[in-house]
Amino acid sequence: NAGVTQTPKFQVLKTGQSMTLQCAQDMNHNSMYWYRQDPGMGLRLIYYSASEGTTDKGEVPNGYNVSRLNKREFSLRLESAAPSQTSVYFCASSGAVGGANTGELFFGEGSRLTVL
Amino acid sequence: QKEVEQNSGPLSVPEGAIASLNCTYSDRGSQSFFWYRQYSGKSPELIMFIYSNGDKEDGRFTAQLNKASQYVSLLIRDSQPSDSATYLCAGNTGGFKTIFGAGTRLFVKA
Repeated sequence: NAGVTQTPKFQVLKTGQSMTLQCAQDMNHNSMYWYRQDPGMGLRLIYYSASEGTTDKGEVPNGYNVSRLNKREFSLRLESAAPSQTSVYFCASSGAVGGANTGELFFGEGSRLTVL
Repeated sequence: QKEVEQNSGPLSVPEGAIASLNCTYSDRGSQSFFWYRQYSGKSPELIMFIYSNGDKEDGRFTAQLNKASQYVSLLIRDSQPSDSATYLCAGNTGGFKTIFGAGTRLFVKA
């Protein structure tokens, strides 16, 4: 039972390069999220997908794009990386119990990205 | 800007003591609140959630919510060195946007 799986775990990019962070969950959750975590800033929501086929902006969407590929997979793309995007990125999912979303987020292990 | 505020710490308590972690929030529309624990280099994991005013207890943990004062707290009784971590407070207005505080670092001294 893997839960939420993110790849890659570590990545170093040069300014202007592009990359995609992959995320998959095996808990049959409807909703998936991408957060970034920076020192002293806490977790900030980049994008989320309430259900398959939908995506919406969070607090800090600029410079990112997302794709909800299917119910299991939600990817985050940086088209032209900038040093300000150096961060730890967490994918998360949440589901419904008895028809109500409890709100609990299940996080992946994180992807540490450095942009030089 | 809807915010969740926490003292960054570090909060240092001796083993066996009660650790008290506090959080305030600005959005009166917030309906549910969460405490996550995050060990260094690891991902956050849920400790407790609370929806209603008052106290909610789970083992050594007690969450307290006061919506009038817009205040959430987490008490950890009989603190253990293994409780040393960063504790993240989060609030949700009932939708899909959960807002996190920056976290409080807790050190439990053996």
